[in-house]
Amino acid sequence: QGQLVESGGGVVQPGRSLSLSCAASGFTFSDYGMHWVRQAPGKGLEWVAVLWHDGSNKNYADSVKGRFAISRDNSKNTLYLQMNSLRADDTAVYYCARDKCSGTSTTCYDYWGQGTLVTVSS
Amino acid sequence: SYVLTQPPSVSVAPGQTARITCGGNNIGSKSVHWYQQKPGQAPVLVVYDDSDRPSGIPERFSGSNSGNTATLTISRVEAGDEADYYCQVWDSSSDHPGVFGTGTTVTVL
Repeated sequence: QGQLVESGGGVVQPGRSLSLSCAASGFTFSDYGMHWVRQAPGKGLEWVAVLWHDGSNKNYADSVKGRFAISRDNSKNTLYLQMNSLRADDTAVYYCARDKCSGTSTTCYDYWGQGTLVTVSS
Repeated sequence: SYVLTQPPSVSVAPGQTARITCGGNNIGSKSVHWYQQKPGQAPVLVVYDDSDRPSGIPERFSGSNSGNTATLTISRVEAGDEADYYCQVWDSSSDHPGVFGTGTTVTVL
């Protein structure tokens, strides 16, 4: 059974940076596209970013484009999210998720981490 | 970007059937996925590709998709089904391809 474990969350001032990690185990990490999804307190789910299994393609939500960068190290079974120029509205629980539908024309998320809370506040 | 609209809440008595809709422009042409999220927990995939169930998900959960509406149906509702439910699609033609619905809270009376 696969497992994802996020780390790196915390409290950060507006305008600063933070890096999240997602350690994968129990499945062949390099076979799957990976995503970040976030959830602001009391709000719904918001897709943030995707990175193809081989790193060949990536995409971002409009709300984070130009500020966030997704990357992965398949040799370490780890997904990353570098978050720069953070704003108060980036405050959320950030989840990494495995794309069960990798290789098809859609994406769907079957494994999720427990989430890591990022709070942007002065 | 593509918009998915869900009713904010659905109430159902135990043993009855809950239907949660997800509206989007020509959503029938897309694959729709559904997630269940209980308080303080990560989401769980309950239906993918409109109507398929991951292993371990009860047959009581089913999905359909046609025209401008996708529907998640929960039959013989149990107290443990009380949760938030989100639909999701991938709009590959968009610069913002990942889309979740607004979410529906299911309350078991």
